[in-house]
Amino acid sequence: NAGVTQTPKFQVLKTGQSMTLQCAQDMNHEYMSWYRQDPGMGLRLIHYSVGAGITDQGEVPNGYNVSRSTTEDFPLRLLSAAPSQTSVYFCASSYSRSADTQYFGPGTRLTVL
Amino acid sequence: KQEVTQIPAALSVPEGENLVLNCSFTDSAIYNLQWFRQDPGKGLTSLLLIQSSQREQTSGRLNASLDKSSGRSTLYIAASQPGDSATYLCAVNEDSNYQLIWGAGTKLIIKP
Repeated sequence: NAGVTQTPKFQVLKTGQSMTLQCAQDMNHEYMSWYRQDPGMGLRLIHYSVGAGITDQGEVPNGYNVSRSTTEDFPLRLLSAAPSQTSVYFCASSYSRSADTQYFGPGTRLTVL
Repeated sequence: KQEVTQIPAALSVPEGENLVLNCSFTDSAIYNLQWFRQDPGKGLTSLLLIQSSQREQTSGRLNASLDKSSGRSTLYIAASQPGDSATYLCAVNEDSNYQLIWGAGTKLIIKP
């Protein structure tokens, strides 16, 4: 099993550009989520999904869009990048939302100029 | 609103020492608490998960305790090794919405 994979590992954008961060898991997990990690702060939840076709907002959803057309994939779209979105982004998955250990991808380091 | 705090932000100790990392949370209505390890440039790896009804969990040289009433958890690392150097994060799974609330982490350096 590859676990949770994320692409790209690094990305530099200019303000106003859009892009999609890819996330895939091969563990047949129903629950997937996106976090951002900023220096000196804990991870913050952006969006999450409890299954294919179902998504919901987390703590910091503004400026981001998600969809879940398959169990395996959960892409995160930046609609119009802003310098405040410079961060490290992590995708995670687990069997369920409540009790299980979450498995994390290696992260995408995004810089918005 | 649930807040999770980890103190200290950084810790440096000689190899072989036993050490304790602290995590505190403000709302005791939690479903579980998890400890993670993060290595530079890599994702997070789950170390231990403690359900709200449990007092502690052990895995190898690691022991995590949970005291819900006082809003505290500790991660005990026995006989520390240079390979234990990493950032350790705790996260609380809230009872109401099962959302993970994270601490900012403790950066641990084990000196050979």
